Amino acid sequence: EPEVTQTPSHQVTQMGQEVILRCVPISNHLYFYWYRQILGQKVEFLVSFYNNEISEKSEIFDDQFSVERPDGSNFTLKIRSTKLEDSAMYFCASLPKGSYEQYFGPGTRLTVT
Amino acid sequence: EDQVTQSPEALRLQEGESSSLNCSYTVSGLRGLFWYRQDPGKGPEFLFTLYSAGEEKEKERLKATLTKKESFLHITAPKPEDSATYLCAVRGPETSGSRLTFGEGTQLTVNP
Repeated sequence: EPEVTQTPSHQVTQMGQEVILRCVPISNHLYFYWYRQILGQKVEFLVSFYNNEISEKSEIFDDQFSVERPDGSNFTLKIRSTKLEDSAMYFCASLPKGSYEQYFGPGTRLTVT
Repeated sequence: EDQVTQSPEALRLQEGESSSLNCSYTVSGLRGLFWYRQDPGKGPEFLFTLYSAGEEKEKERLKATLTKKESFLHITAPKPEDSATYLCAVRGPETSGSRLTFGEGTQLTVNP
């Protein structure tokens, strides 16, 4: 069964550094998402992406964040100048056309020290 | 703004002891209520989608139901492997796009 994959599974970085989180969505899906989950808190929407552009973003997704689909398979989240409060699990999700059911990847645990 | 509240926060059951989890929501123009299962350190795993009041879905020991204000996830004769956090999420009206709004989750522990 096709799955969303994410790399790395765990990323440790120092405050102020840039990180890129990578996702490979399910191959025939057209909509892509990033969510985050701070430890002990709820899953929060960051951004959605369709047809090679951002379709919506939350108030969390400020100028520090960017997303890109550099080729036909990868979907990336870049965080510039990381802060301690960016420490969280980051989940990628994808959605096929004509469906509302988002499928999530296993997540990347980001630790900012 | 879409809101989702789940209760209880945590639930401990003995194996075979049936119970229900609650998800209350406030959404104008619901376009789907979703149940996910999340194991520690993992991503949410899709379980069910419900679209309209009165709808029910079943999968093994789980049954999800929907009213105009809340959804229930009924667990019948649970087993230890059902232990996980169960998340409820909603998709709101067209104006809020395709984002999912999640509740805090119910952490279920089933003891053998």
